[in-house]
Amino acid sequence: EAQVTQNPRYLITVTGKKLTVTCSQNMNHEYMSWYRQDPGLGLRQIYYSMNVEVTDKGDVPEGYKVSRKEKRNFPLILESPSPNQTSLYFCASSFGDSDTQYFGPGTRLTVL
Amino acid sequence: SQQGEEDPQALSIQEGENATMNCSYKTSINNLQWYRQNSGRGLVHLILIRSNEREKHSGRLRVTLDTSKKSSSLLITASRAADTASYFCATPASDSWGKLQFGAGTQVVVTP
Repeated sequence: EAQVTQNPRYLITVTGKKLTVTCSQNMNHEYMSWYRQDPGLGLRQIYYSMNVEVTDKGDVPEGYKVSRKEKRNFPLILESPSPNQTSLYFCASSFGDSDTQYFGPGTRLTVL
Repeated sequence: SQQGEEDPQALSIQEGENATMNCSYKTSINNLQWYRQNSGRGLVHLILIRSNEREKHSGRLRVTLDTSKKSSSLLITASRAADTASYFCATPASDSWGKLQFGAGTQVVVTP
């Protein structure tokens, strides 16, 4: 089954404790992206990747890192999480930036 | 900054009625996409319309695009309770290839 998976689905952590949210897709998509969703603000793009080893900043990259060492994986790293990073996070993938994006189920992160 | 903005923010209708929502954007685009999100879950792609298309249909969905007015509309005909969801338009960002920008969404509630 074609899908985008994210782990963990739910995470409660404390300020400053490094964490990684994994994202994996099995559709051989070149394009992957991370979004955060906050009430009243819609989805905002954090980082995106056009292909392996090619990443670029979205609209809200501060406080986040990404890497794309393999085509199927695109982890999101929070080196020192802060409470303002409490949000619902989505990973998405597609063949190209102008194509249909397939979204993962979301990761609800709470930073205390 | 958001490229697309949906209107209205919320819409409440009864089953069988039609639901119309609009999306306005600021800069030239090569395509516009509509997505649906059920509460707290991942987004599901509904339809993509390219800049050289004026109207597109998919089942009970009809999307129009007016590039001269920089606006798009999504019509859901004969709505069902299962159509209760938030609907988002998304457009490629004008300042960077690979960025996709979402509006804040229209929350639709369909009551039986």
